[in-house]
Amino acid sequence: QKEVEQNSGPLSVPEGAIASLNCTYSDRGSQSFFWYRQYSGKSPELIMSIYSNGDKEDGRFTAQLNKASQYVSLLIRDSQPSDSATYLCAVNAERISSGSARQLTFGSGTQLTVLP
Amino acid sequence: EAQVTQNPRYLITVTGKKLTVTCSQNMNHEYMSWYRQDPGLGLRQIYYSMNVEVTDKGDVPEGYKVSRKEKRNFPLILESPSPNQTSLYFCASGPRPTSEAFFGQGTRLTVV
Repeated sequence: QKEVEQNSGPLSVPEGAIASLNCTYSDRGSQSFFWYRQYSGKSPELIMSIYSNGDKEDGRFTAQLNKASQYVSLLIRDSQPSDSATYLCAVNAERISSGSARQLTFGSGTQLTVLP
Repeated sequence: EAQVTQNPRYLITVTGKKLTVTCSQNMNHEYMSWYRQDPGLGLRQIYYSMNVEVTDKGDVPEGYKVSRKEKRNFPLILESPSPNQTSLYFCASGPRPTSEAFFGQGTRLTVV
């Protein structure tokens, strides 16, 4: 089982719709969760962080966290073509490759396309 | 301006010719990490460093070396590059290994 899992997509939504991106993680001890946006060929850019159960809103973005279900999501309201990108979920998790040292661990990303 | 700076941004080289990709951060971060990104495979960690003189292997360390002699710098060394190391490379830093990471602009490497 991967430490952080995301649907790879592609996910297509019409302009103005709500885009919903999902992420599950395996480490029950994870305490910090992040969403990054990555345009093609560019570096990942941090857009949201969440640490407590519930919702956190920032403009058109809402991050949702449910630690009991080990689930974190990102909602993008009023989606715009400029939101078309790959969205990476990152979780503070124990990593097998680092001998269980806790590090930021990335999912493989979900590609979002917003259609005009 | 707080940033992570990688150089070069683009590099085409030949098999076996040693190269170094530099990474420098000006945020006094203890944690630094190198990733490679290939289509369909996401970000894969190559090496990471918890602090000066403390480095360790990530998921795909074969063929790479790193050093952390100063807090701000974390170069990635390919002693004998091969075509399968053609990829997009990112350096990242953060206050702690579990906090948010800030990424450099990326280095697109082609080995022919």
